Amino acid sequence: QVQLQESGPGLVKPSGTLSLTCAVSGGSISSSNWWSWIRQPPGKGLEWIGEIYHSGSTNYNPSLKSRVTISVDKSKNQFSLKLSSVTAADTAVYYCARNEGSGQKAYWYFDLWGRGTLVTVSS
Amino acid sequence: QSVLTQPPSVSGAPGQRVTISCTGSSSNIGAGCDVHWYRQLPGTAPKLLIYGNNNRPSGVPDRFSGSKSGTSASLAITGLQAEDEADYYCQSYDSSLSGSVFGGGTKLTVL
Repeated sequence: QVQLQESGPGLVKPSGTLSLTCAVSGGSISSSNWWSWIRQPPGKGLEWIGEIYHSGSTNYNPSLKSRVTISVDKSKNQFSLKLSSVTAADTAVYYCARNEGSGQKAYWYFDLWGRGTLVTVSS
Repeated sequence: QSVLTQPPSVSGAPGQRVTISCTGSSSNIGAGCDVHWYRQLPGTAPKLLIYGNNNRPSGVPDRFSGSKSGTSASLAITGLQAEDEADYYCQSYDSSLSGSVFGGGTKLTVL
């Protein structure tokens, strides 16, 4: 069965760049699914960051778009997140997830999630 | 401030029925976009509970049901059990933002 695993530094300095990778196992990242990054600040709700297709097509949350880059490495069966110019407000648990649903994006949901990784922005 | 609005908390006694509301707008739920629900236990990742407004993934008991009307949706839980104590989130797609949006989450307490 398909599993997702996030990895990356747990501590990033303010104004630096947060970099995370999501490894896909038990299945191919080149399936018909899109793949997303979602975050959750401590004690708060969920925020969708963006998504990518294996072709490299991406969509980003407008509130983060200027700072976010999501990329895919099909040879390693993984996708990655880069968030630049981070501040303490970017401290959160970051999840990768698989988009599911047929047809239009209006019907998409997240059927598979990684365990999440806590990234703290602090000097 | 979340695009979808949920009550911060709800509670109920074991065996009772509770509902959690999710209010959106004409650019998401009211536009015909599906609503999905997730349950999150402390320290764990969210787990899909209801998809496509009222469909349960395999393994989710029929005590959980979803509905949608106009610009709102609801999650109903019947026969409340202690293990249902968790945070619940609704999610949909917003055409103005061109992306997925979540509710702020509702903490369910089983009394």
